[in-house]
Amino acid sequence: DAGVTQSPTHLIKTRGQQVTLRCSPKSGHDTVSWYQQALGQGPQFIFQYYEEEERQRGNFPDRFSGHQFPNYSSELNVNALLLGDSALYLCASSPTTGTEAYEQYFGPGTRLTVT
Amino acid sequence: RKEVEQDPGPFNVPEGATVAFNCTYSNSASQSFFWYRQDCRKEPKLLMSVYSSGNEDGRFTAQLNRASQYISLLIRDSKLSDSATYLCVVYFHGNQFYFGTGTSLTVIP
Repeated sequence: DAGVTQSPTHLIKTRGQQVTLRCSPKSGHDTVSWYQQALGQGPQFIFQYYEEEERQRGNFPDRFSGHQFPNYSSELNVNALLLGDSALYLCASSPTTGTEAYEQYFGPGTRLTVT
Repeated sequence: RKEVEQDPGPFNVPEGATVAFNCTYSNSASQSFFWYRQDCRKEPKLLMSVYSSGNEDGRFTAQLNRASQYISLLIRDSKLSDSATYLCVVYFHGNQFYFGTGTSLTVIP
């Protein structure tokens, strides 16, 4: 049973560019959340997708957008990259129902460096 | 005020010791609580959910105090492999997940 997978693992971009990160959830999970983790900090919630719609959003600007596909996989897009966007981007999946609802399983992350 | 606050540590304890971490949260309507473990440069992994009645999983015990708005994690008989950062997570249904900044634990031989 494959866990949460993310691609790419590392990425280097220049200020002003755009980036797309990808995530495939754990089998049986239909909800995907995205987080940004800066060095020495806890993960910060960006948004959550369920049934192909953004269900909840954290305190991130509109430069951060996402999408969920019918197979539950998801993308995170960041436009007009800033140096401060350099971080580890984590994807987490969870089921919506059952005893494990809200228990999130994380992928290995994509480490984004903006120069 | 941050939604979730943790003592960042670091906690340095000898093998076999008992160590406890606390985490406070600001939103009294918060409904789900978790502890995650994160190894250096790795993703967080779910350690345990925290239930109102408290729960235990082997050497790990989690407790919730809604009146004082804190959760705790107790690790007994610490192992070298317990060295990691422990993240407290609070979820307000219909809102979002809030992570603490994490508490660093190093178990010393």
